[in-house]
Amino acid sequence: AQSVTQLGSHVSVSEGALVLLRCNYSSSVPPYLFWYVQYPNQGLQLLLKYTSAATLVKGINGFEAEFKKSETSFHLTKPSAHMSDAAEYFCAVSDQGGSEKLVFGKGTKLTVNP
Amino acid sequence: GAGVSQTPSNKVTEKGKYVELRCDPISGHTALYWYRQSLGQGPEFLIYFQGTGAADDSGLPNDRFFAVRPEGSVSTLKIQRTERGDSAVYLCASSDTSGGAETQYFGPGTRLTVL
Repeated sequence: AQSVTQLGSHVSVSEGALVLLRCNYSSSVPPYLFWYVQYPNQGLQLLLKYTSAATLVKGINGFEAEFKKSETSFHLTKPSAHMSDAAEYFCAVSDQGGSEKLVFGKGTKLTVNP
Repeated sequence: GAGVSQTPSNKVTEKGKYVELRCDPISGHTALYWYRQSLGQGPEFLIYFQGTGAADDSGLPNDRFFAVRPEGSVSTLKIQRTERGDSAVYLCASSDTSGGAETQYFGPGTRLTVL
């Protein structure tokens, strides 16, 4: 069964600093991977997804993630944090071949300090 | 266009009561998912519909939980004899088709509180 581990339940960065949110997955088949963002009292919004095309995936709001099969990782990065990036971020893997349900990590709450 | 909508946004009920949570997916989306998000956790899968039928209900925690999608559009999640442990945010998502690469679009959720 697929699983996702997000290292660090809380990450704090200064405005303008690099954002790095870690995600490692476990999957018995080539995975589809997703990053979602959740702002307070809002639903989940897709940032980007990896579907076995290019390993470096660019998403919305300046975020990108790189699929590294050898490390079973899909870390999310942004070169320069903005105050508006403060939110909770979830990494997810798709359960291929079945219902295609998403299996989520526990999330990382990003704080951006002025 | 309109996104996924869920009603009510908040529901407070007493232990032992019955509740219904409604999801309106994006028009034309054939796949519909229910997830449950407890405090401090990521969403956990409950059930998946492809059209009118429940294709995977392996995430439903017990037989107090049931969901329907009679016309292949709106879905209702039903919880009988609610327990305090059922308190969570219930999220609905829809996608254009099934398939692991499809983007699931999420609604804002229904926050259920069982007193």
